[in-house]
Amino acid sequence: EPEVTQTPSHQVTQMGQEVILRCVPISNHLYFYWYRQILGQKVEFLVSFYNNEISEKSEIFDDQFSVERPDGSNFTLKIRSTKLEDSAMYFCASSETGGPYEQYFGPGTRLTVT
Amino acid sequence: GENVEQHPSTLSVQEGDSAVIKCTYSDSASNYFPWYKQELGKRPQLIIDIRSNVGEKKDQRIAVTLNKTAKHFSLHITETQPEDSAVYFCAAETGGFKTIFGAGTRLFVKA
Repeated sequence: EPEVTQTPSHQVTQMGQEVILRCVPISNHLYFYWYRQILGQKVEFLVSFYNNEISEKSEIFDDQFSVERPDGSNFTLKIRSTKLEDSAMYFCASSETGGPYEQYFGPGTRLTVT
Repeated sequence: GENVEQHPSTLSVQEGDSAVIKCTYSDSASNYFPWYKQELGKRPQLIIDIRSNVGEKKDQRIAVTLNKTAKHFSLHITETQPEDSAVYFCAAETGGFKTIFGAGTRLFVKA
């Protein structure tokens, strides 16, 4: 069964550094999402992406964040200047259609900012 | 802004008993309500969902009910088993582009 994949599984970075988290959505999916989950807390929506543009974003998704679909398979989340409070698990998800439809989550990237 | 409230935060039941988790949502435009199970260190996994044009849905031991007027939806797990122990999240989705999660319920099923 196809799955969403994410790399790396764990990323350690210093405060102020840029990080790029990578996701490969399921191949025939058209809608892509990023979520974050601070340890022990709820899953928080960051952004949704369709047709090469952002569809929705949350208040968390400020100018420090950006997303990109650089080619036909990858979907990336960039954090320009990481802060300690960016430490969290970041999940990518994809769905076949929008409007709404089941989202499939990747295994997550644990980001640790020191 | 949009909000999803979830109760209880912790639920402990004996194996074989039923478990009920309740959620309320604020955005009346929400039209899709998935439930996710998350085991420690793992990704959220969809266990059941319901759309706004349906009042109830059942899948084996799991059922979900939706009251659109009251903006309530609930998860019911019958004949609980130790492997049902996990964190359960409700969520509400608007238009397919934004999903708001509840705070989660940690379910313990005692053997």
